Amino acid sequence: GENVEQHPSTLSVQEGDSAVIKCTYSDSASNYFPWYKQELGKGPQLIIDIRSNVGEKKDQRIAVTLNKTAKHFSLHITETQPEDSAVYFCASGGSYIPTFGRGTSLIVHP
Amino acid sequence: GAGVSQSPSNKVTEKGKDVELRCDPISGHTALYWYRQSLGQGLEFLIYFQGNSAPDKSGLPSDRFSAERTGGSVSTLTIQRTQQEDSAVYLCASSLSGRHRTYGYTFGSGTRLTVV
Repeated sequence: GENVEQHPSTLSVQEGDSAVIKCTYSDSASNYFPWYKQELGKGPQLIIDIRSNVGEKKDQRIAVTLNKTAKHFSLHITETQPEDSAVYFCASGGSYIPTFGRGTSLIVHP
Repeated sequence: GAGVSQSPSNKVTEKGKDVELRCDPISGHTALYWYRQSLGQGLEFLIYFQGNSAPDKSGLPSDRFSAERTGGSVSTLTIQRTQQEDSAVYLCASSLSGRHRTYGYTFGSGTRLTVV
């Protein structure tokens, strides 16, 4: 089955810095790549997604890039703020049950 | 409702008892998923419902776990004879469709199950 690797597992940055989280996937048929943010005590929330016919997508301070040849995609957060602190999950979907990465705990220090 | 609703939000039960967890998906979402998240861990797929099709139960960890979805809407996850290793947060998610085009999930806030 699909294998999704997510790195790093923990990321600590200063407020205002950029943060990058990377995922690699194994299934070349995957065509949908969402990112979820999970705050403490809450369910994951979809924050951005990208489909395989697009190389990059932006939404204010967050962006996702996709390299289908290399089978990796990344989440970029610019001008980080303390409220960005959360666990971020990537996922890769080609079928109806996407495979999730193991998560990245992002800590933004004021 | 506006989002996915799960109840109860917290459940403490004695080992050996049965529990039922409920999920109310977003109206119009035909796909419904159950996941389990142990402390500090990732998301473990349990079961998937799509419309009136037979559910995909491939993630259920044992025959003590079962789920149903009535009328294509509300779903109930049942755990029989609970064990301490069942302690986790159980998350429900729904999406527009699953089989031919993948959409992002909307997750509920989860049910935190503690087996003592």
